[in-house]
Amino acid sequence: NAGVTQTPKFQVLKTGQSMTLQCAQDMNHNSMYWYRQDPGMGLRLIYYSASEGTTDKGEVPNGYNVSRLNKREFSLRLESAAPSQTSVYFCASSIMGGQTKNEQFFGPGTRLTVL
Amino acid sequence: AQSVAQPEDQVNVAEGNPLTVKCTYSVSGNPYLFWYVQYPNRGLQFLLKYITGDNLVKGSYGFEAEFNKSQTSFHLKKPSALVSDSALYFCAVRPYYNQGGKLIFGQGTELSVKP
Repeated sequence: NAGVTQTPKFQVLKTGQSMTLQCAQDMNHNSMYWYRQDPGMGLRLIYYSASEGTTDKGEVPNGYNVSRLNKREFSLRLESAAPSQTSVYFCASSIMGGQTKNEQFFGPGTRLTVL
Repeated sequence: AQSVAQPEDQVNVAEGNPLTVKCTYSVSGNPYLFWYVQYPNRGLQFLLKYITGDNLVKGSYGFEAEFNKSQTSFHLKKPSALVSDSALYFCAVRPYYNQGGKLIFGQGTELSVKP
């Protein structure tokens, strides 16, 4: 049981390049999330998927798109990377979202640098 | 606006002494409250949560947290700190009405435990 996995672990991009961050969970969770972590700002939600087939914007969605490929996988795409998107990206999942009490489980993160 | 505040960027404690990491929140209604820990270059790990009931919640690694509704606080505590407790700690809140199970995170508190 690997939990939440993310690829790649590290990535360096040039301004304007595109890339997709992959996330997968093997816990049969319904809800999945993408956060970014910046120093002194905690974690901020980019997008989330309450259940398979649905996605919604979080606090900082601009410059990103997501795809809930199936119940296991939730990818984050940067179409045209900017230096402001330099950050550490975390994927998370929980059994159910909505009005539930379940904690989220986090992946190990992807450290992205945009030059 | 909904928010979570961790008023101390850093907390320094000697090994064996009690530790407290503070968290206050501003959310309407009755929120669900969480503490997470992040070790260097790792994802976040769930420590404990408050949903309802007893105001003192016990969690992993000997940590506990006290919910105080009148002060809108959820401080993390441990009776005797270990050097291995040194890490970044995040408080998070989920408003009970929140669709998708979204979490609002504090900015984090760096805990340093010295021998």
